[in-house]
Amino acid sequence: QSVLTQPPSASGTPGQRVTISCSGSSSNIGSNSVNWYQQLPGTAPKLLIYSNNQRPSGVPDRLSGSKSGTSASLAISGLQSEDEAGYYCAAWDDSLNGPVFGGGTKLTVL
Amino acid sequence: QVQLVQSGAEVKKPGASVKVSCRASGYTFTSYYMHWVRQAPGQGLEWMGIINPSDGSTRYAQKFQGRVTMTRDRSTSTVSMELSSLRSEDTAVYYCARELYSSSLNFWGQGTLVTVSS
Repeated sequence: QSVLTQPPSASGTPGQRVTISCSGSSSNIGSNSVNWYQQLPGTAPKLLIYSNNQRPSGVPDRLSGSKSGTSASLAISGLQSEDEAGYYCAAWDDSLNGPVFGGGTKLTVL
Repeated sequence: QVQLVQSGAEVKKPGASVKVSCRASGYTFTSYYMHWVRQAPGQGLEWMGIINPSDGSTRYAQKFQGRVTMTRDRSTSTVSMELSSLRSEDTAVYYCARELYSSSLNFWGQGTLVTVSS
């Protein structure tokens, strides 16, 4: 059972905008920044968003992150076939004294 | 460019120990914390701990306290993670990952599959 809660799946058609939610608590998302990762099958995760809404260099601006209270979300606009992957949210947890992850969301591009 | 190259796959029997290494290149080794994260087959990501390559200080997830040891070798820019008393539930891909800022991990090793089976 993951500390952060994500929907197990999401889907959209090419060109659409999809959002993936991540729910936590006051000890993690409520008091710390959120990071998002993309994982393609058989590969290591890739950092997409850090500090709630910052993109590392090379990540396109059609990906965006936001946070409100104890929840966060990742938005992907202009959906492309290569966006089909697993997505994980993460945040530091003050009670556990370490980062915690969501269970992951499998995004399917229809 | 930054690279993290991990050691190869391992097969271990229950009760044994495994040591996974991660060699860093392309940046100043002592300037960035390194984390270890694992992923069981078909499962999500699980944080194991962190090491400061500068002074070797560590912090481990409570779940692994007493079973995990993380070390670093500044001469070879290598961090290692040793997990003891292995059980079948430890079968997973183990990743080292360099921290960018406040536990965000922007560079990852390729992963090392550890299989625990009798």
